[in-house]
Amino acid sequence: DTGVSQDPRHKITKRGQNVTFRCDPISEHNRLYWYRQTLGQGPEFLTYFQNEAQLEKSRLLSDRFSAERPKGSFSTLEIQRTEQGDSAMYLCASSLVDNEQFFGPGTRLTVL
Amino acid sequence: GIQVEQSPPDLILQEGANSTLRCNFSDSVNNLQWFHQNPWGQLINLFYIPSGTKQNGRLSATTVATERYSLLYISSSQTTDSGVYFCAVEYRGGTSYGKLTFGQGTILTVHP
Repeated sequence: DTGVSQDPRHKITKRGQNVTFRCDPISEHNRLYWYRQTLGQGPEFLTYFQNEAQLEKSRLLSDRFSAERPKGSFSTLEIQRTEQGDSAMYLCASSLVDNEQFFGPGTRLTVL
Repeated sequence: GIQVEQSPPDLILQEGANSTLRCNFSDSVNNLQWFHQNPWGQLINLFYIPSGTKQNGRLSATTVATERYSLLYISSSQTTDSGVYFCAVEYRGGTSYGKLTFGQGTILTVHP
């Protein structure tokens, strides 16, 4: 049973650097979501795709953030010019339309 | 947007005790999920329960959508039940489809 996978699991970077994370959803799932979780909080929605179309973006997603899902399969989330406030756990989830979401293990980002 | 409130924020139990976690939400929802977040940050699906009652081993959940709340019951608690429990809902209104809004979580600690 192949669940949602994310890479890398941990990333440490210096302020001002660019980082990119990858998410591979469950293979038959057409929806893919990105969330961000900071310490002591519940996850917060960032953006989601249905197939390759990005259908919604949160106001949390500043212009330094960009997400793609070019062939409707895996997705990437890029953060440009990272700031210390970007330090968080970045979670990816996938689902069928109008169905249960399943989460990956997350990428923990630390910006020094 | 929709508000999700979980109670209690913290719960400490002795092994073998029973507990009830509550999730209140402020508007109509399409979906509701309960998760357990383990110490490594992985969100584990417990229940997908927009309405009705479900049981899975020592855990059960009830959602009363018309009254805008859900309950998670844990019976005969074990130390491995420790962690953070999140309720998350998908709001039915507006143009926001698919994204989950999470509560702040309940931190459960089970002592041997």
